[in-house]
Amino acid sequence: DTGVSQNPRHKITKRGQNVTFRCDPISEHNRLYWYRQTLGQGPEFLTYFQNEAQLEKSRLLSDRFSAERPKGSFSTLEIQRTEQGDSAMYLCASSPQGGVLNTEAFFGQGTRLTVV
Amino acid sequence: AQSVTQLDSHVSVSEGTPVLLRCNYSSSYSPSLFWYVQHPNKGLQLLLKYTSAATLVKGINGFEAEFKKSETSFHLTKPSAHMSDAAEYFCVVSYKSSGDKLTFGTGTRLAVRP
Repeated sequence: DTGVSQNPRHKITKRGQNVTFRCDPISEHNRLYWYRQTLGQGPEFLTYFQNEAQLEKSRLLSDRFSAERPKGSFSTLEIQRTEQGDSAMYLCASSPQGGVLNTEAFFGQGTRLTVV
Repeated sequence: AQSVTQLDSHVSVSEGTPVLLRCNYSSSYSPSLFWYVQHPNKGLQLLLKYTSAATLVKGINGFEAEFKKSETSFHLTKPSAHMSDAAEYFCVVSYKSSGDKLTFGTGTRLAVRP
């Protein structure tokens, strides 16, 4: 088991372009989470899935953001019409059934997005 | 709002001396509290967690934290710092009423001097 894997590790894009990130959770973890971390801040919750169902979305997740987990395995996070304010580290985590309170969230290394 | 406050953005200690990283949480019923560590180019790693069992929680790498309800604090300590402890540390809270998500503090960067 190689842990939570995120691709790409770095992405530079021009303002207005669309970007998509991928997260492969630890196998058999049925919960998957997305967080965003800006410079000098702690990670902020964006959304989470149980299997393929998206159970909660933060108000931070504007309508330009969409996340999917179509088969309950890997997940994608898409940002449309990127803005400079979207520049951040996007973190993915997974946990077994029971979630972060009853088990443990395992984090990937993140995808660093720079919008120029 | 449910949150945590990390009182120091930077802490510097000498190798072999004690470490104290301070955290206060906003008072609420039954918080679960965590400390995570983030080394450069590595994913966040759970150090320890408190979920209403013993108030003194022992974690990995010799770290421990004590839940003090009267002070709404959850400070992280280690008796003797090692060079490899240099990293960013996050105090984190979660509440059963707020769903399955973690709320992070702003972090404390720990530097360890030789």
